Amino acid sequence: NAGVTQTPKFQVLKTGQSMTLQCAQDMNHEYMSWYRQDPGMGLRLIHYSVGAGITDQGEVPNGYNVSRSTTEDFPLRLLSAAPSQTSVYFCASSYRRDRGGTEAFFGQGTRLTVV
Amino acid sequence: GDSVTQMEGPVTLSEEAFLTINCTYTATGYPSLFWYVQYPGEGLQLLLKATKADDKGSNKGFEATYRKETTSFHLEKGSVQVSDSAVYFCALSDNGRGSTLGRLYFGRGTQLTVWP
Repeated sequence: NAGVTQTPKFQVLKTGQSMTLQCAQDMNHEYMSWYRQDPGMGLRLIHYSVGAGITDQGEVPNGYNVSRSTTEDFPLRLLSAAPSQTSVYFCASSYRRDRGGTEAFFGQGTRLTVV
Repeated sequence: GDSVTQMEGPVTLSEEAFLTINCTYTATGYPSLFWYVQYPGEGLQLLLKATKADDKGSNKGFEATYRKETTSFHLEKGSVQVSDSAVYFCALSDNGRGSTLGRLYFGRGTQLTVWP
């Protein structure tokens, strides 16, 4: 059971470049989300999805796009990378409430540097 | 809206010392509460959870009790080890209806360093 798989683990981009961070889960979870982690800021929610075809914005959505065409996959797209997007990105998935408290399972993270 | 306030770090302790990391929350409904741990270079892992008032979550010697009257979920361990050095995050899950179902709200994290 692989859980939540994120790729790549490390990435360096030049300002203005675009890229997609991949996230896949094999637990048939309805809920998936993307967070960024910055020093002293904790985890901040970028976008989330409550099921295939349904996405919504979190706290810091600007500069990012998502889509959810399948239950398993939830890619995060950086449209035009900026140095302010240098961060560690985590994907997470979870069951709905009626399966016991919506515990989230996290990927290993993607460390992104924008130069 | 929902939020979590967590004791700021860093926290530095000697091995076998007692640990408390304070966490309080604000929520409109009846959230579930969690502590997650992040070891260096890794993602977050669930440490323990509590889904209703007065529940006590426990794991690996860590404990936390869901106190509705004080809106708190403080993390404690009686005797820390060097291997407990990590960042600890308090979080709550919105158990309400609609599109926010399942959303997690995190505190800012507390860095714990344990010296031998």
